[in-house]
Amino acid sequence: KQEVTQIPAALSVPEGENLVLNCSFTDSAIYNLQWFRQDPGKGLTSLLLIQSSQREQTSGRLNASLDKSSGRSTLYIAASQPGDSATYLCAVKGNTPLVFGKGTRLSVIA
Amino acid sequence: EPEVTQTPSHQVTQMGQEVILRCVPISNHLYFYWYRQILGQKVEFLVSFYNNEISEKSEIFDDQFSVERPDGSNFTLKIRSTKLEDSAMYFCASRRDKNTGELFFGEGSRLTVL
Repeated sequence: KQEVTQIPAALSVPEGENLVLNCSFTDSAIYNLQWFRQDPGKGLTSLLLIQSSQREQTSGRLNASLDKSSGRSTLYIAASQPGDSATYLCAVKGNTPLVFGKGTRLSVIA
Repeated sequence: EPEVTQTPSHQVTQMGQEVILRCVPISNHLYFYWYRQILGQKVEFLVSFYNNEISEKSEIFDDQFSVERPDGSNFTLKIRSTKLEDSAMYFCASRRDKNTGELFFGEGSRLTVL
């Protein structure tokens, strides 16, 4: 059964800092991995989708990497801003529907 | 930009009452999903729907739950007799391709059972 773990559970950084969020999964037989952002009480906004054949994807200040064989992905946020404060969720698609991690709650302090 | 829309945004109901949550998936998407998130917990899969039938469901999705696509645009989740533990945020999602497509979520419907 696929398990997705995200570390750290919470992170607080000063504005401008570069940061890395980590995601690990137990079953490497995946089709893709998706990173989402969730603001309090709101829905899930898709940030990046990485297919299993890809190593990384970039969107603006965000860069996600995927190492399928080791069951790891990272989300790199450059030059963080207070508006980046949210919970970031990692989710993996294998032969089962999308399986989510519990998320990393990020606070960027001005 | 196309989006998944959900109604209502918040519903309060008494235990034992029936609730219907509604979703309009993105128009050219073929695969539809319901997920839920209990406060402070992970997002959990409930059910997937393709070609007018359930393709997969979790153990959470028991006989109290049902889904329907009554017309060409709406996708509904019905809870027949709500329990306190059904209180959660319910998310509808859709994608175009089963395995490789990006999954798009709606803003969610918050269900509070009293």
